Amino acid sequence: KNQVEQSPQSLIILEGKNCTLQCNYTVSPFSNLRWYKQDTGRGPVSLTIMTFSENTKSNGRYTATLDADTKQSSLHITASQLSDSASYICVIDNYGQNFVFGPGTRLSVLP
Amino acid sequence: GAGVSQSPSNKVTEKGKDVELRCDPISGHTALYWYRQSLGQGLEFLIYFQGNSAPDKSGLPSDRFSAERTGGSVSTLTIQRTQQEDSAVYLCASSLGGGSGNTIYFGEGSWLTVV
Repeated sequence: KNQVEQSPQSLIILEGKNCTLQCNYTVSPFSNLRWYKQDTGRGPVSLTIMTFSENTKSNGRYTATLDADTKQSSLHITASQLSDSASYICVIDNYGQNFVFGPGTRLSVLP
Repeated sequence: GAGVSQSPSNKVTEKGKDVELRCDPISGHTALYWYRQSLGQGLEFLIYFQGNSAPDKSGLPSDRFSAERTGGSVSTLTIQRTQQEDSAVYLCASSLGGGSGNTIYFGEGSWLTVV
């Protein structure tokens, strides 16, 4: 069983719409949770980092939430743009030496 | 440099040949990571360096894979006797330290195709 699960596997939305991506994890211990954006053919780029004591973290139109009790996180994208089309990866930091990557959610934003 | 640099960006090799992939991390970053990503799949951890030492080699899939880091900077990942299942993107990342909370920065990857 994967220690980090993401849903949906893929998502198609129209430009300008909002969307929310989900991440559930079972990794323990847990020091922080990260969301990365990976454009096709490129390396992942960091969006947010949250410690277990943080509930929300924003980066422009991206807002990540974390519920450490239920071990769930979400990434909300507001007013989507065509350039948001990418894979979004949830990553659990197991105290800096072991990063557990989720499989990613593939987002397609259509005009 | 400004970012994590990897070379070659693309490599096509014949089955059975050895390949060497290079990673030049961000200057001053002591932690360096190698990951593998097959087409449409998530990232697979290979190895982690702190300075020149590799406290975690648990992800290397077989003894055909090895990695080294010299001078606390450049790292090379070597795949001997390549197989078709080795075809993937090999991503290198670095961070300021191995401690929790440091942002890890990825390179653009080395695309390896074994034919």
